[in-house]
Amino acid sequence: RKEVEQDPGPFNVPEGATVAFNCTYSNSASQSFFWYRQDCRKEPKLLMSVYSSGNEDGRFTAQLNRASQYISLLIRDSKLSDSATYLCVVNKWQGGKLIFGQGTELSVKP
Amino acid sequence: EAGVAQSPRYKIIEKRQSVAFWCNPISGHATLYWYQQILGQGPKLLIQFQNNGVVDDSQLPKDRFSAERLKGVDSTLKIQPAKLEDSAVYLCASSLELDYTGLNTDTQYFGPGTRLTVL
Repeated sequence: RKEVEQDPGPFNVPEGATVAFNCTYSNSASQSFFWYRQDCRKEPKLLMSVYSSGNEDGRFTAQLNRASQYISLLIRDSKLSDSATYLCVVNKWQGGKLIFGQGTELSVKP
Repeated sequence: EAGVAQSPRYKIIEKRQSVAFWCNPISGHATLYWYQQILGQGPKLLIQFQNNGVVDDSQLPKDRFSAERLKGVDSTLKIQPAKLEDSAVYLCASSLELDYTGLNTDTQYFGPGTRLTVL
C-alpha cells in the first residue's frame, strides 16, 4: 500500500465548477499535511497547509480527518488558471521527511 | 529574494555515463533536499541535509547515487553509472530548518529542477 494515495485523474471540469480531491495516508503518526500545486513542467509550490479544524483560503478549502486518515481539497468556482496537478503531501514525524502522493491532474475548460 | 537555483536545466546522456547536478538553496536555509520525480508520479525524497550533515538518505540508491553538501550551502548530486530508469526530473528544495522534534514545519521551496534523459 502506498503511503499517500490520491484520486486518480485527470479531472476535466468546466469553468465555475466545484471540484474535490481526496487523499488517504497510511501512517497514523503523521503530523503535518499539505497540498502542493505543480504546473506542467514546473516545480511544486505550496498551496496550503491542512489543519484538523479545516482551513480556507479564498476559493480553496482543505479538510483533515485524522481518525479516517483522510485529507481533502475543495476548489470552488474553478478558473482556467487552476489547471495543474495537485499533490497531497504528508510529513512523517521522524526527520521532517515529506511524502508526496502521485498527484491528481485538474484541467479546467472554458 | 532569490529562489533555489539548479543547473543544468536539461541533460541527455547515454546509459552507463556519469552526470552531476548542482543546487544552491535560498540564502539562510539550513535544510536541503534532493527529490526524484518520475513522469506521472509525485516527488520522492532521495536525501536530506541539515547544514552539511545527512538527516535521511534511506531512499538513495547508494550503489550509483551520491550527494554532498560540504560547506553547508550548495550541494551536488551525482549518478554514476546512469541507468535508463534514472530518467526523471531531479528537484532540489530548501527550508529554514527542522524544529527540535525533527519536524519540518517550514515551507519547502523547490528549484526548477533538472530534467535528465538517459538513452
